[in-house]
Amino acid sequence: DVKVTQSSRYLVKRTGEKVFLECVQDMDHENMFWYRQDPGLGLRLIYFSYDVKMKEKGDIPEGYSVSREKKERFSLILESASTNQTSMYLCASSLTSGIGEQFFGPGTRLTVL
Amino acid sequence: AQSVTQLDSQVPVFEEAPVELRCNYSSSVSVYLFWYVQYPNQGLQLLLKYLSGSTLVKGINGFEAEFNKSQTSFHLRKPSVHISDTAEYFCAVSVAPGYKLSFGAGTTVTVRA
Repeated sequence: DVKVTQSSRYLVKRTGEKVFLECVQDMDHENMFWYRQDPGLGLRLIYFSYDVKMKEKGDIPEGYSVSREKKERFSLILESASTNQTSMYLCASSLTSGIGEQFFGPGTRLTVL
Repeated sequence: AQSVTQLDSQVPVFEEAPVELRCNYSSSVSVYLFWYVQYPNQGLQLLLKYLSGSTLVKGINGFEAEFNKSQTSFHLRKPSVHISDTAEYFCAVSVAPGYKLSFGAGTTVTVRA
């Protein structure tokens, strides 16, 4: 059974803190993605990666960075958390071949106070 | 760039009634089309996809969708819904397998007895 896991389901942080969100997939997928989900806005792409040590900006990268040191792990970093980064964060992975379906993790609900 | 418009943000429906969720997209190139479902407190899972071939696509849980290139639409239908279909539904497009997805804002379906 394919699996994308995220390090926390719920997280509460204070403004200005550095926040790490971890995502691990066990499917040997080349591609990994970070989205944030907000009511009425759907999912918006923050960053994605097509290979180890590679990263590309998505639609809303400001205030975020990422790290992919190993194929199975993709980390999202909030350098200095702000209240407008309170959101649900979803990680996904996919293969480049085949239909390229994206498999999603359960999400991390981050609250920044 | 691609964009997706889901024309209904909320769809209330009675159990055993049919439902249609509307999705329109814009793109200057050929696209791959997806419908994902998100049950409460869960990540997204794939309902169905259109890559090529027959424009009528069948997915899981009795859902189907029809790709209409001239109208740039990919509407989702189910002839008879169950209480368990209560969820948020997202339409998404991609220009290549495994590539980043552009999502619509989502449609919340609430099935009532």
